[in-house]
Amino acid sequence: EAGVVQSPRYKIIEKKQPVAFWCNPISGHNTLYWYRQNLGQGPELLIRYENEEAVDDSQLPKDRFSAERLKGVDSTLKIQPAELGDSAVYLCASSLGRGRDEKLFFGSGTQLSVL
Amino acid sequence: GQQVMQIPQYQHVQEGEDFTTYCNSSTTLSNIQWYKQRPGGHPVFLIQLVKSGEVKKQKRLTFQFGEAKKNSSLHITATQTTDVGTYFCAGDDMRFGAGTRLTVKP
Repeated sequence: EAGVVQSPRYKIIEKKQPVAFWCNPISGHNTLYWYRQNLGQGPELLIRYENEEAVDDSQLPKDRFSAERLKGVDSTLKIQPAELGDSAVYLCASSLGRGRDEKLFFGSGTQLSVL
Repeated sequence: GQQVMQIPQYQHVQEGEDFTTYCNSSTTLSNIQWYKQRPGGHPVFLIQLVKSGEVKKQKRLTFQFGEAKKNSSLHITATQTTDVGTYFCAGDDMRFGAGTRLTVKP
């Protein structure tokens, strides 16, 4: 069974440019998460989807970040415009559901460098 | 939102020594999860604890959930070089702690 797939693996852009990250969760996983992880820190939750509904986006910087999960499967996270401080690894994770089913499977992440 | 705090931030041990990391929450949790992230890798699920006072073991790893369900610990007996990595706890809303980075000297 395929795991969580993310692309691209690496992205280098100049500040003020837009960037998008794509995630394909494990088949059948209803819950999808986007995290940002800075070097030496824990993953910071940006947004959580249950099917196609964003149910927790309290930590998503909405002035420049947006996300969507069309049809409750794949998801895209976008930053526009990117700032130097956005350099980090962006991780996508999925789980069957909440509570006792909330075992997260992570993708390999997208490492973003903003120059 | 709910936050979990982890201590220590770093731990360096000699191979064969024991290691413990602690996770504390200001609020009562319904469950807590532990993850391990190897250098250059992504977090990998280790275990979920649900019941008050619960203790679970995985080979040399022992996980404990406090009676008040506000704290948890991960203990590794006789560390090996394969235990190197950062150990994270995550609370109810899947917000992660800052992690404890473990290094093991052979």
